[in-house]
Amino acid sequence: SQQGEEDPQALSIQEGENATMNCSYKTSINNLQWYRQNSGRGLVHLILIRSNEREKHSGRLRVTLDTSKKSSSLLITASRAADTASYFCATDKLIFGTGTRLQVFP
Amino acid sequence: DSGVTQTPKHLITATGQRVTLRCSPRSGDLSVYWYQQSLDQGLQFLIQYYNGEERAKGNILERFSAQQFPDLHSELNLSSLELGDSALYFCASSSSGTVSYNSPLHFGNGTRLTVT
Repeated sequence: SQQGEEDPQALSIQEGENATMNCSYKTSINNLQWYRQNSGRGLVHLILIRSNEREKHSGRLRVTLDTSKKSSSLLITASRAADTASYFCATDKLIFGTGTRLQVFP
Repeated sequence: DSGVTQTPKHLITATGQRVTLRCSPRSGDLSVYWYQQSLDQGLQFLIQYYNGEERAKGNILERFSAQQFPDLHSELNLSSLELGDSALYFCASSSSGTVSYNSPLHFGNGTRLTVT
């Protein structure tokens, strides 16, 4: 299975802190994507990183990819209460993990 | 707004019944994907259609079927419903003109199905 598996399952932090979520997968990939889901809503694409990239930035988001370890991480810097959501990774077969639930307290 | 429209937003029905969920993809998107999200199982890929043809199949039950029409909208049919089918059903579309997993998915806001 190429399913991405996120870790931790849940994360609680204060506003202004950084949040790091990890994703592991089992087979080789061409790219990996991160999505955010606000409660009960559809997923929103955040960032795509290709297998030949090691790091990518988008605003307060930083994604790294280590193909040798079959893992990726999503870092949200200077978190805000509005970042409260579930975050999912998906491999290029578009199989999603169970997500990390992030709670940011004001 | 993702541009993907799903109807209805909510559906309540009884066990044994059949329902149809509808999805209109984002303008220009040829691929449509269906996902099921339940509390204890995360987001499960069901099926993908590309330009009217089935392209990939995931954990879709035999009681479920889908199709994509010439105007590219898609329908997911769920029959002989069971309590365990209660879930959020999402449709997503991708912007690539050819089948490609290098394009992000654009999700609708889902149909919440409750089977009583």
